[in-house]
Amino acid sequence: QKEVEQDPGPLSVPEGAIVSLNCTYSNSAFQYFMWYRQYSRKGPELLMYTYSSGNKEDGRFTAQVDKSSKYISLFIRDSQPSDSATYLCAMSVSGATNKLIFGTGTLLAVQP
Amino acid sequence: EADIYQTPRYLVIGTGKKITLECSQTMGHDKMYWYQQDPGMELHLIHYSYGVNSTEKGDLSSESTVSRIRTEHFPLTLESARPSHTSQYLCASSEFGGGQIYGYTFGSGTRLTVV
Repeated sequence: QKEVEQDPGPLSVPEGAIVSLNCTYSNSAFQYFMWYRQYSRKGPELLMYTYSSGNKEDGRFTAQVDKSSKYISLFIRDSQPSDSATYLCAMSVSGATNKLIFGTGTLLAVQP
Repeated sequence: EADIYQTPRYLVIGTGKKITLECSQTMGHDKMYWYQQDPGMELHLIHYSYGVNSTEKGDLSSESTVSRIRTEHFPLTLESARPSHTSQYLCASSEFGGGQIYGYTFGSGTRLTVV
């Protein structure tokens, strides 16, 4: 079983829709949770970063962590065609190694 | 502007050739990483470094080697390339200190094809 599971999609939505992206994980020791966005032919870029449980909001993006369910989500409000990309969740156990475990990524297409 | 640079962006080489993928960062980050990414698959860590003269193998078995002689430079070398090495290679760096974990900054990647 993979440590981090993520639906690969693809997910296609109309412009303006609310998008929900999710990951589940099996390692209860994970403390740091991140979402990366990767455009085609580019490296991933950090989008959201949360520690432990709770919500974090940044503009149109909201990250949620539910450690009791081992489930994290990224919500995108008022989605735009420029949001079309692959979204990867990543997580890490606290410590000096800072080794991130990534999901496979969800391909999102926002149709104009 | 601080960034992380990978060269070349694309490389097609013949089997048996030796190649070095370059990675440099201007942010002064202590930690650097090499990941392998295939379509529909998660990123797999193949090498990482905590600082100068520190290198470790990652979770994915790899026939490549790395070196960290300078903080800003973390090249990856394949002594004898094979078609199974065909993949996208991503370099990343992050800060370290105070027990805090920071997000990675990634380069744009090197798309390697071995024929």
